[in-house]
Amino acid sequence: GDSVTQMEGPVTLSEEACLTINCTYTATGYPSLFWYVQYPGEGLQLLLKATKADDKGSNKGFEATYRKETTSFHLEKGSVQVSDSAVYFCAQSSYDKVIFGPGTSLSVIP
Amino acid sequence: NAGVTQTPKFQVLKTGQSMTLQCAQDMNHNSMYWYRQDPGMGLRLIYYSASEGTTDKGEVPNGYNVSRLNKREFSLRLESAAPSQTSVYFCASGTELYSNQPQHFGDGTRLSIL
Repeated sequence: GDSVTQMEGPVTLSEEACLTINCTYTATGYPSLFWYVQYPGEGLQLLLKATKADDKGSNKGFEATYRKETTSFHLEKGSVQVSDSAVYFCAQSSYDKVIFGPGTSLSVIP
Repeated sequence: NAGVTQTPKFQVLKTGQSMTLQCAQDMNHNSMYWYRQDPGMGLRLIYYSASEGTTDKGEVPNGYNVSRLNKREFSLRLESAAPSQTSVYFCASGTELYSNQPQHFGDGTRLSIL
């Protein structure tokens, strides 16, 4: 069935380091892909999205490109800040549901 | 502030007790969702409502019921709580433009079943 796989966390980085969180999906159709972010004690927030192959979603310095050939949607940021510490969820939307990955916890230390 | 409001934020129940989790959104969204979040499993959809008056089962509906009271409110009921229902529950809403894509989440209800 359809699924989303993310790299295991937690991920710990120093401020201003580069970030990549890997995400791959399996789908029978052509899903839309999303990254959500969850800050401590809060609900999820939509961070960025891409609806078709080769689309690039971007927001708040984060980027992810929809790669159909590798069924991937990796999240990247060139220089992380302490305020980026959160749990990041990759997700896909197809037909009548959204499927979330297990989440990757990111801690950024000063 | 506009958004999705969930009550209560925390609750402890004994096995067999019942309770209703409340959710309201003030963004005039048609779609509303209930998810549960468990460690290492991401979010799993319990029920959703594409519009006022309609509800549909998600991935893990057993042990739950829902009511779409009006466009704003979507409640989740546990009729006879079980320890396996210990989880964090999130309500979410979305617009028609992004159908089946929850855009706004509440802050969650942390529920413990003893």
